[in-house]
Amino acid sequence: AQKITQTQPGMFVQEKEAVTLDCTYDTSDQSYGLFWYKQPSSGEMIFLIYQGSYDEQNATEGRYSLNFQKARKSANLVISASQLGDSAMYFCAMREGDRGSNYKLTFGKGTLLTVNP
Amino acid sequence: NAGVMQNPRHLVRRRGQEARLRCSPMKGHSHVYWYRQLPEEGLKFMVYLQKENIIDESGMPKERFSAEFPKEGPSILRIQQVVRGDSAAYFCASSPFVGQNSGANVLTFGAGSRLTVL
Repeated sequence: AQKITQTQPGMFVQEKEAVTLDCTYDTSDQSYGLFWYKQPSSGEMIFLIYQGSYDEQNATEGRYSLNFQKARKSANLVISASQLGDSAMYFCAMREGDRGSNYKLTFGKGTLLTVNP
Repeated sequence: NAGVMQNPRHLVRRRGQEARLRCSPMKGHSHVYWYRQLPEEGLKFMVYLQKENIIDESGMPKERFSAEFPKEGPSILRIQQVVRGDSAAYFCASSPFVGQNSGANVLTFGAGSRLTVL
């Protein structure tokens, strides 16, 4: 079974609108972390936001917020006020287990976001 | 304030040749990780190294692949006798520490090295 599932291969959004990128995960661990990375066409991986499994508040970083629904095992990324520069691949990733193994991330296949002017 | 530096950015090899990919971690980071991204896939963990030590190589193929992080110089991922299936983007990441107080332990990735095997 896939540990990280991103069901949207591609998404389109109008500039200045908000968009939600879906991510569901599968783990039996109680302690885990969820990450979102952005990969623009230049190829680098840019960290966006992190949510720990014990964090009670949804993580926010500027225009990025993570809609964490633990019971549903979902960790959707919300980008508000989309900009043309947001066009990129977006990857959801999970770290399972205790923090001693928090370097081993499992990535989803990604969602290609296109922001239209 | 350079980030994680990888070179070469693009590498073309013929089947049977060797590929060497280099990674210099961010200043102050002593932990290095290699990930591989096959076409149309997410990144997959390969190996975790500290200076002169391989900590976890559970994601490394058993044959032809090796990694090192010497006391001086960059980390090197070496692929011997490359085959077409090795064509991928190889990403290096670094972090300052791993441990109980580093829940997020955000990995900073380099721009990747894209290997094409003809």
